[in-house]
Amino acid sequence: DAKTTQPPSMDCAEGRAANLPCNHSTISGNEYVYWYRQIHSQGPQYIIHGLKNNETNEMASLIITEDRKSSTLILPHATLRDTAVYYCIVRVNNAGNMLTFGGGTRLMVKP
Amino acid sequence: GAVVSQHPSRVICKSGTSVKIECRSLDFQATTMFWYRQFPKKSLMLMATSNEGSKATYEQGVEKDKFLINHASLTLSTLTVTSAHPEDSSFYICSARTPAGGGGNEQFFGPGTRLTVL
Repeated sequence: DAKTTQPPSMDCAEGRAANLPCNHSTISGNEYVYWYRQIHSQGPQYIIHGLKNNETNEMASLIITEDRKSSTLILPHATLRDTAVYYCIVRVNNAGNMLTFGGGTRLMVKP
Repeated sequence: GAVVSQHPSRVICKSGTSVKIECRSLDFQATTMFWYRQFPKKSLMLMATSNEGSKATYEQGVEKDKFLINHASLTLSTLTVTSAHPEDSSFYICSARTPAGGGGNEQFFGPGTRLTVL
């Protein structure tokens, strides 16, 4: 699976949009971009994933650049409960293999 | 999404004892489950891949005789930490893979088990 690079930490004001970047310059054509988050002392939670088109669900939006070498997860109106570590993972979908977690970005939403 | 449970959520034991952690997929059958370990302020590290009805596949550096994995049914995998020592204290997390296809998300995580070995 391709490697990803994320900033180690970010702050965001409550109610503002949180934009979390991820670089994956070695991504292959059949690899998807997945985002998970982990709130303190809990298991990771799936947020969203995409291949090349932008995606949106009830939790977030995923913007993938045209060359697919980077992406941005957008939380449109961050709340204090969005404080967590956010992991960007690229992998082949339905490969049956494990998820490889990097360092992630520790997002702190402040009042 | 699919639900994965773990039991217990927290366990404290004495050094030298064995501890069993259960991982259950509550509303789907999981042919594959994964066990991760996470130390404070660190990322998740895969320990092993558990396949129903066959032996687990362990990652390099993980002692198979110390971390016994059993995946006896399509909804249950267990991790037993044998002869636990303080350095085994960690947050253990399982995930289960659904058979879903069509490009959807197919891995769901349990809430984790906090093991403290005194």
